[in-house]
Amino acid sequence: KNQVEQSPQSLIILEGKNCTLQCNYTVSPFSNLRWYKQDTGRGPVSLTIMTFSENTKSNGRYTATLDADTKQSSLHITASQLSDSASYICVVSVITGGGNKLTFGTGTQLKVEL
Amino acid sequence: EPEVTQTPSHQVTQMGQEVILRCVPISNHLYFYWYRQILGQKVEFLVSFYNNEISEKSEIFDDQFSVERPDGSNFTLKIRSTKLEDSAMYFCASSKTGTGANVLTFGAGSRLTVL
Repeated sequence: KNQVEQSPQSLIILEGKNCTLQCNYTVSPFSNLRWYKQDTGRGPVSLTIMTFSENTKSNGRYTATLDADTKQSSLHITASQLSDSASYICVVSVITGGGNKLTFGTGTQLKVEL
Repeated sequence: EPEVTQTPSHQVTQMGQEVILRCVPISNHLYFYWYRQILGQKVEFLVSFYNNEISEKSEIFDDQFSVERPDGSNFTLKIRSTKLEDSAMYFCASSKTGTGANVLTFGAGSRLTVL
């Protein structure tokens, strides 16, 4: 069964600090891995998308890594801001006959405090 | 920046009633999706739609659910006879392409509460 596991479940950090979120997946056939940010009560917003051949991808203060051999990914947030408080969701795209189908993780709830 | 718009933002209905959730995808997108998120749980795929037909659906998307693109701009999700367990946030999404690193743009969601 396709699964996406994330850790930690929740995290509190001080503004200005860095943090790293983890994702492990058992998904086949793998197409790509995405990280989304979801504010409370809002839809997910795409941060990065990485294909099998990509090891790292950055989007501003967000840097995602992918190890397709160990089926692990991480999202590193540098110089955190209060507005970074949100749920960060690891999403793996599976190749199906109908195109890509997204399998979502349960998310890491990040809170950035003063 | 183009966005996916969903209406209503919140709907409360009685069990057994029919509900239609509406979505206006981004205008030049060709692939449309519905996902749902039960409170406190992860986002789950319901259905994908392309070229006026369903291209993929999950086991959640049973006979009580249907989708339609009634005109050139709207994409709807109908739940024929709602159950308590249908209470969730329903997200519509759209993308230009259906494969590869296709970027899905999600709407803000429609919260459905079934009493």
